[in-house]
Amino acid sequence: GNSVTQMEGPVTLSEEAFLTINCTYTATGYPSLFWYVQYPGEGLQLLLKATKADDKGSNKGFEATYRKETTSFHLEKGSVQVSDSAVYFCALAGGATNKLIFGTGTLLAVQP
Amino acid sequence: KAGVTQTPRYLIKTRGQQVTLSCSPISGHRSVSWYQQTPGQGLQFLFEYFSETQRNKGNFPGRFSGRQFSNSRSEMNVSTLELGDSALYLCASSLAGGGKGTDTQYFGPGTRLTVL
Repeated sequence: GNSVTQMEGPVTLSEEAFLTINCTYTATGYPSLFWYVQYPGEGLQLLLKATKADDKGSNKGFEATYRKETTSFHLEKGSVQVSDSAVYFCALAGGATNKLIFGTGTLLAVQP
Repeated sequence: KAGVTQTPRYLIKTRGQQVTLSCSPISGHRSVSWYQQTPGQGLQFLFEYFSETQRNKGNFPGRFSGRQFSNSRSEMNVSTLELGDSALYLCASSLAGGGKGTDTQYFGPGTRLTVL
């Protein structure tokens, strides 16, 4: 079945450091791919998405490119801020359904 | 436009009781999905409703049920609560709920259920 694998956390970075959170997926067909962010005590917020191969999603300085050849959707940001500290979830939706399959989440802690 | 709202935000119940959680989607959204979030199992899909019909169901026991009303509001019910049902229950809404999975789902803040 479909699945998502994310790098284990926590990831601890200093402010202005470069961020990469790896995400790979297994799916039949051509799923849509998403990154969601969860701040403490809150629900999930969509960060970015890509619906077909080679699409690049971007938002608030974060980027991710849908790579079908490597079945990956890695999240990157050039310069993180303390306010980016949160849990990041990679997810996919495939087939005739909106069902999201999530990775385990990666906790990011940015220190000043 | 108001976001997805969930009530109540916090609930404490005891084993064996039942509970009903409510979700109001974004205005105009017709699809509502429910997810359970726990530290051990992560985020797991419960079910999806579209136009008052259950379109998809996750791998949860029959104690978990839901419904959707004609105004797209949704409720989920858990009967005979167990300790393991303690979780954050998240509701998400999307516009059309149809086909290809390209619809963006917008999440509410969740209901934190504690079972004692």
